Amino acid sequence: DAGITQSPRHKVTETGTPVTLRCHQTENHRYMYWYRQDPGHGLRLIHYSYGVKDTDKGEVSDGYSVSRSKTEDFLLTLESATSSQTSVYFCAISETNPGQGRTGELFFGEGSRLTVL
Amino acid sequence: GENVEQHPSTLSVQEGDSAVIKCTYSDSASNYFPWYKQELGKRPQLIIDIRSNVGEKKDQRIAVTLNKTAKHFSLHITETQPEDSAVYFCAATYTGGFKTIFGAGTRLFVKA
Repeated sequence: DAGITQSPRHKVTETGTPVTLRCHQTENHRYMYWYRQDPGHGLRLIHYSYGVKDTDKGEVSDGYSVSRSKTEDFLLTLESATSSQTSVYFCAISETNPGQGRTGELFFGEGSRLTVL
Repeated sequence: GENVEQHPSTLSVQEGDSAVIKCTYSDSASNYFPWYKQELGKRPQLIIDIRSNVGEKKDQRIAVTLNKTAKHFSLHITETQPEDSAVYFCAATYTGGFKTIFGAGTRLFVKA
């Protein structure tokens, strides 16, 4: 498995509290992504990064922010968690731009299960 | 907009039968179409992919076909086995390849 670590793996929090999920990679891959997985919706892209300090929005970015100050770390922050953000969050990495590179494979972390009460 | 539709949402087959999952995408500029398999409680993993300059690709019991004109692509699994039971996701790339957008998934049950 690619060297991707997500933390925390499980978290229960209350509505209105801030939450930060961390994705750490040891592969030195340029591209990093945050997805959320919910029944009936598959994997929905929240934000992605194409380099240090270079990030952009995905399909469902409202209520989320990200930061990437180092190649190996991509942080996802919920400034004020809501019950609708209860989900399993997956970080993914890619060596190249999936649409242009030699290989477009995404390598996923093990997921972080977040429950907002 | 950026969209990938996937059907069916659930598929049940007898061991040894074939399974077909179909997807459509909305942007004719999409050029990379991967398929991921997710076993229960595990992370998604790539099983096969195809680029827009290829119409079909095979890897043992799995194959993917692409119809660029219709913006359709499909996953075919032959001689299904119980270990093929999982959720399968199709995906397509958008925005110059930066975004990989997934379909909603198909839960495949293979009955022994």
